[in-house]
Amino acid sequence: AQRVTQPEKLLSVFKGAPVELKCNYSYSGSPELFWYVQYSRQRLQLLLRHISRESIKGFTADLNKGETSFHLKKPFAQEEDSAMYYCALNNQGGKLIFGQGTELSVKP
Amino acid sequence: GAGVSQSPSNKVTEKGKDVELRCDPISGHTALYWYRQSLGQGLEFLIYFQGNSAPDKSGLPSDRFSAERTGGSVSTLTIQRTQQEDSAVYLCASSLRDRGTYGYTFGSGTRLTVV
Repeated sequence: AQRVTQPEKLLSVFKGAPVELKCNYSYSGSPELFWYVQYSRQRLQLLLRHISRESIKGFTADLNKGETSFHLKKPFAQEEDSAMYYCALNNQGGKLIFGQGTELSVKP
Repeated sequence: GAGVSQSPSNKVTEKGKDVELRCDPISGHTALYWYRQSLGQGLEFLIYFQGNSAPDKSGLPSDRFSAERTGGSVSTLTIQRTQQEDSAVYLCASSLRDRGTYGYTFGSGTRLTVV
């Protein structure tokens, strides 16, 4: 079955601390993975795609096929990073499968 | 348009009534998606349109839900005989090509409350 799992509903860190939002997937093919972010009272938006190997707002995510993971990391969290984060898998059938989401709270 | 536009932004309806939610995708985007966002449930796929192909309706939760896309552009999601469990934020997204490889652009959603 194709599935995306984000085990943490809420992750709370202090400003300046490292942050890692976990994402594991289940997929038999070659996955395309994404992270989406939704800031308070804003629409859901694409943060980064694994195929781009990019760093956006200091966040990076590496696809680990052995562990079937695509964790989102940032070395020094900022208060403005507080948001809801969703990991998503493109199942090649035309639609994205989303995880349940992790709410990141960065405290001052 | 510049972005994906959804209307209305909020809808309160009585149980048993029908509702229509509208999505106007980005011009030129051939793929259009509907998702439902509920507290604690994440984003639940509902339906996907790609060009002139038959839509993927595999996510529609019941036959009370239907959607159409006219002229390859505007889409309407219809919920008949609404129930309280239909209360959620309904999100529309579009993408330049199919398979979502380039990521989706989401609308701001319609918050549906069934009382």
